[in-house]
Amino acid sequence: GESVGLHLPTLSVQEGDNSIINCAYSNSASDYFIWYKQESGKGPQFIIDIRSNMDKRQGQRVTVLLNKTVKHLSLQIAATQPGDSAVYFCAWEDTGRRALTFGSGTRLQVQP
Amino acid sequence: AAGVIQSPRHLIKEKRETATLKCYPIPRHDTVYWYQQGPGQDPQFLISFYEKMQSDKGSIPDRFSAQQFSDYHSELNMSSLELGDSALYFCASGSRLQEKLFFGSGTQLSVL
Repeated sequence: GESVGLHLPTLSVQEGDNSIINCAYSNSASDYFIWYKQESGKGPQFIIDIRSNMDKRQGQRVTVLLNKTVKHLSLQIAATQPGDSAVYFCAWEDTGRRALTFGSGTRLQVQP
Repeated sequence: AAGVIQSPRHLIKEKRETATLKCYPIPRHDTVYWYQQGPGQDPQFLISFYEKMQSDKGSIPDRFSAQQFSDYHSELNMSSLELGDSALYFCASGSRLQEKLFFGSGTQLSVL
């Protein structure tokens, strides 16, 4: 599959601030996108997903934005907490294959 | 709620040895996926099974094989281990009805 990368390998924010994690994808045929959170020594944990027929989806303290024009996906975390510190991966379902392809992760560090 | 169970949690092997990793999917999930995650890297898709049949194949070396059994658990068999096989191996399960994957906590394989 085509590769996807995150612009910033590490993002450091203050507790209480909002965080934005970005992901650029190149496969315009993808119609399903997902964000995972991975804490040290644990498996990826589902955060939120979005289909290509939507441009925004909100969850609890998290929002995913999808811009199909520029092939950009972002994860917004409101009022970031120390427990949000982890590596965040975007992933997408590749064309013709059910398996998810992961982009490069971004480490989020929340400073108290 | 039941989650994806992987065993063992940690495994230490020497070069040229074999290893078997086990995965027990969430009950009623019909699809199992195996991923390999090297240090500081994103998870790479290896192979998947749907209803006990191989579904998709990713970057799985010929030295590796996998299968899904009648009780839906899956095993990843790795032979002629190399130092570069040291990684976290994740199993994920899902349902054909939705794209969301649920990951286990992984098996940390160290090849010495």
